[in-house]
Amino acid sequence: AQTVTQSQPEMSVQEAETVTLSCTYDTSESDYYLFWYKQPPSRQMILVIRQEAYKQQNATENRFSVNFQKAAKSFSLKISDSQLGDAAMYFCALRGGSEKLVFGKGTKLTVNP
Amino acid sequence: NAGVTQTPKFRVLKTGQSMTLLCAQDMNHEYMYWYRQDPGMGLRLIHYSVGEGTTAKGEVPDGYNVSRLKKQNFLLGLESAAPSQTSVYFCASSRPVEPRRFGPGTRLLVL
Repeated sequence: AQTVTQSQPEMSVQEAETVTLSCTYDTSESDYYLFWYKQPPSRQMILVIRQEAYKQQNATENRFSVNFQKAAKSFSLKISDSQLGDAAMYFCALRGGSEKLVFGKGTKLTVNP
Repeated sequence: NAGVTQTPKFRVLKTGQSMTLLCAQDMNHEYMYWYRQDPGMGLRLIHYSVGEGTTAKGEVPDGYNVSRLKKQNFLLGLESAAPSQTSVYFCASSRPVEPRRFGPGTRLLVL
């Protein structure tokens, strides 16, 4: 079975500062993908970043980057230069060989001006 | 492209009523999915389809049925709604191995 755990129900950050959201996962598969999705108040699920497990290099998308520690089964998201528009629920997700995408319970990020 | 659209956006049902949620995508994606999202939870997979005419059960399939008669449409049916099915329902689509594109969600309230 695949599981995803987000241990921080809520986080807050000052505008322009950096924040890191934690995610740990468990899977018995060797080939898998990890994702971070953002869900703003509009409820739309938006893909932020993805990481293929076979790639050692951490994925980066503009102000968003990940710290992928495969041995520790850890996949944290770093948001640099936080903006008010970054305020949202963030979900970590794991997909193995099947088409089932497993989500964590989410972290609510508040950005303070 | 409209992407993934869902109909309706919001619906109120009485216990025991039936309804169908429609998902449509215009990206020619092979795979389509239905998820539900409950407070304090991530999204959980209800059913999915890897191609026209095929469906499979996900994590929480009980009480729901699905059909994929056309590649661009994926229908989610509730035959006899229960209060436990009050949730926000998301449809998604993708090509194999690619990330899912999600629809805007449907809020369902079962009284």
